[in-house]
Amino acid sequence: NAGVMQNPRHLVRRRGQEARLRCSPMKGHSHVYWYRQLPEEGLKFMVYLQKENIIDESGMPKERFSAEFPKEGPSILRIQQVVRGDSAAYFCASSTGEETEAFFGQGTRLTVV
Amino acid sequence: QKEVEQNSGPLSVPEGAIASLNCTYSDRGSQSFFWYRQYSGKSPELIMSIYSNGDKEDGRFTAQLNKASQYVSLLIRDSQPSDSATYLCAVNPSYTGGFKTIFGAGTRLFVKA
Repeated sequence: NAGVMQNPRHLVRRRGQEARLRCSPMKGHSHVYWYRQLPEEGLKFMVYLQKENIIDESGMPKERFSAEFPKEGPSILRIQQVVRGDSAAYFCASSTGEETEAFFGQGTRLTVV
Repeated sequence: QKEVEQNSGPLSVPEGAIASLNCTYSDRGSQSFFWYRQYSGKSPELIMSIYSNGDKEDGRFTAQLNKASQYVSLLIRDSQPSDSATYLCAVNPSYTGGFKTIFGAGTRLFVKA
């Protein structure tokens, strides 16, 4: 049973480009969470999704950021017109349901140059 | 008041000693509590979950929960250098419906050989 899969592991983008981060949850998990971690800081909640629904996006910036979790395929976190401040590690986690343990993917390290 | 508070450390203990990591949380109705370990440059790894008051033991790890005091701790017995990592306390507050895990900033632990 594969764990949470994220790709790419490392992503370099120039300022103004778009970044697409992918997350495939563990088999049987229908809840996906995205977190951002800046260097030397803790994890910050961004968005919580279930299949085809955004449940809570209160942690996601209103501009340039969007997330989806389609019926088929991975969850996508999309960052448009990236800026240097977007450089961070982005972690995806999945769980079977509410109040259960979430398991993390290996993360995508985004560097904006 | 932060929703989940941890002492950032670093906490330094000698090999073989007991390491005690502490966490307080603000939402009295929280029901689910987790400890994650994160090695530098890696993703968080779930090591313990606890839902009821009291102690829960798993190998060298013991999680302790006191809901009245809104306090959760992690004890690591016979600490090893390989335990050196950042330990993240995580809580599912009741006001989120229990689905949005809030993380503390983490406590850095160093185990000296």
